[in-house]
Amino acid sequence: KNQVEQSPQSLIILEGKNCTLQCNYTVSPFSNLRWYKQDTGRGPVSLTIMTFSENTKSNGRYTATLDADTKQSSLHITASQLSDSASYICVVSGSARQLTFGSGTQLTVLP
Amino acid sequence: EAGVAQSPRYKIIEKRQSVAFWCNPISGHATLYWYQQILGQGPKLLIQFQNNGVVDDSQLPKDRFSAERLKGVDSTLKIQPAKLEDSAVYLCASSLELGRKPLQETQYFGPGTRLLVL
Repeated sequence: KNQVEQSPQSLIILEGKNCTLQCNYTVSPFSNLRWYKQDTGRGPVSLTIMTFSENTKSNGRYTATLDADTKQSSLHITASQLSDSASYICVVSGSARQLTFGSGTQLTVLP
Repeated sequence: EAGVAQSPRYKIIEKRQSVAFWCNPISGHATLYWYQQILGQGPKLLIQFQNNGVVDDSQLPKDRFSAERLKGVDSTLKIQPAKLEDSAVYLCASSLELGRKPLQETQYFGPGTRLLVL
């Protein structure tokens, strides 16, 4: 069964600090992996997308990594800001473009 | 570029009542998705359209849920009759087209409709 597990479930950090969110998946075959940011009361917004051949992708202060061998991905946030408070969802695309969503990591950035 | 539009934003109904949600995708996007997102969980795909044809509705509770995409543009999702466990946010998303490069399959989500069933 295709699964996407994210950790931690929730995280609280102080403004300006860095943090790393984890995503482990068992989706096979693998097509691509995306990280989405979902602000409270809004729909998810795509941050990064990585295919099998890519092992890192950056979008401003967000850097995603992918290890297709171990089926792990991480999202690193540098110099966090209050506006980074949101849920971060890992989504893996497999065969026939079926998407498997993780449950998300709820990040809270405190002043 | 206008985003995905959804209405209503909020809806409160009693169990056994009916409810309908509307979605207008980004212009030119062939693929449209309806998701159910229960609090604290990731979105769960209910149904996926390519133009006006259904690609995947394997997780749609067809005894009470129905969806249509008239003329391959707007879409409506209906629940009849609603149950307490249907309380969730219903997200609509659209993407350029399936079967092409991953970037063109990026989904753009609407703000969602928050449903509360009492």
